[in-house]
Amino acid sequence: NAGVTQTPKFRILKIGQSMTLQCAQDMNHNYMYWYRQDPGMGLKLIYYSVGAGITDKGEVPNGYNVSRSTTEDFPLRLELAAPSQTSVYFCASSYGGANWEQYFGPGTRLTVT
Amino acid sequence: TQLLEQSPQFLSIQEGENLTVYCNSSSVFSSLQWYRQEPGEGPVLLVTVVTGGEVKKLKRLTFQFGDARKDSSLHITAAQPGDTGLYLCAGAGGGGADGLTFGKGTHLIIQP
Repeated sequence: NAGVTQTPKFRILKIGQSMTLQCAQDMNHNYMYWYRQDPGMGLKLIYYSVGAGITDKGEVPNGYNVSRSTTEDFPLRLELAAPSQTSVYFCASSYGGANWEQYFGPGTRLTVT
Repeated sequence: TQLLEQSPQFLSIQEGENLTVYCNSSSVFSSLQWYRQEPGEGPVLLVTVVTGGEVKKLKRLTFQFGDARKDSSLHITAAQPGDTGLYLCAGAGGGGADGLTFGKGTHLIIQP
């Protein structure tokens, strides 16, 4: 049971380039989330999904897109990377229930220069 | 917009001392969670509190949820260097499906 996995671990992009951050979970969780973490700012929700085929915007969705074709995978797409997207990105999943506990991946550190 | 304020932002103490970290909001949360994050890793869930006034203990860590479910505290007894890390509180709103609201975290350093 690998939990939540993310690839790549590190990436450097040039301004205007695009990339996809991969996220997968093997816990059969319906709910999946993408957060970004900036120094001193906590975690901000980018997008979330309540099941395959269903996604919705979080607090900071601009410049990002997601898809959820399967229960296991929830990739995050960056189009036209900008320096403001330099951050650490975390994917998380949850089974829901009463408490909405989330399980996080190890993160992707992205630098846009 | 729900906000969670954590205090202090930074705390550095000697091994063996006690400490308390606070998480406050003007909003009511259906549940509140505490996570611990180490450098280069994702947050790891420590505990979830659900009922107003609830107290949970995890070895030397004591978590309390306020009676009105708007605030929480984390108390560490006899802190050890292994307790060093970023402590995050996070609240689930009425539904919870749309993600958690995170505080900015408390950076805790326990010096040997």
